[in-house]
Amino acid sequence: SQTIHQWPATLVQPVGSPLSLECTVEGTSNPNLYWYRQAAGRGLQLLFYSVGIGQISSEVPQNLSASRPQDRQFILSSKKLLLSDSGFYLCAWSATGFEQYFGPGTRLTVT
Amino acid sequence: EDKVVQSPLSLVVHEGDTVTLNCSYEVTNFRSLLWYKQEKKAPTFLFMLTSSGIEKKSGRLSSILDKKELSSILNITATQTGDSAIYLCAAVHNAGNMLTFGGGTRLMVKP
Repeated sequence: SQTIHQWPATLVQPVGSPLSLECTVEGTSNPNLYWYRQAAGRGLQLLFYSVGIGQISSEVPQNLSASRPQDRQFILSSKKLLLSDSGFYLCAWSATGFEQYFGPGTRLTVT
Repeated sequence: EDKVVQSPLSLVVHEGDTVTLNCSYEVTNFRSLLWYKQEKKAPTFLFMLTSSGIEKKSGRLSSILDKKELSSILNITATQTGDSAIYLCAAVHNAGNMLTFGGGTRLMVKP
């Protein structure tokens, strides 16, 4: 069966510091991978998606970036965090591009 | 611009009540409609609806899609406190890689 991991689970970072969140998927190959951000009590905003290694599509212009160095690894990064980057970051995978399955999420607080 | 709107924003009911959650969408090249339940952390998948008028059921939950009205409803009968969560709907569109989420409905079921 497929599993998706994210780490860290929680993170508190000062403004201006760098960020690296990691997501890995097991039990499947060549998945579509997604990064979402969820503000408190709100819906999910798609940040990036990837259909293959090195292929990244960005949905929202911002100071975040994503990379997919391996088939089942998806990384969300920032060089300098802003207060507005605080939120709950979710990674998801999909085999068909339809149903998406979510990782446990990373709660990021920028202070 | 692609958008998905859910109503109501929040709902408080008592155990045993029946609730209906609404989701309307306006997206390019609609493919299917997904429902998720989100408690503390990651959303968990409930239903995928592709065909209009065909009800999907899982226990006390059921959902149906109306492509003519560009909408879907999620019904929960005989609600329990464990149904308390945020319910998210998402429209799959374009090449099937894209999900646009609604803002969610926060349901609270009181004993």
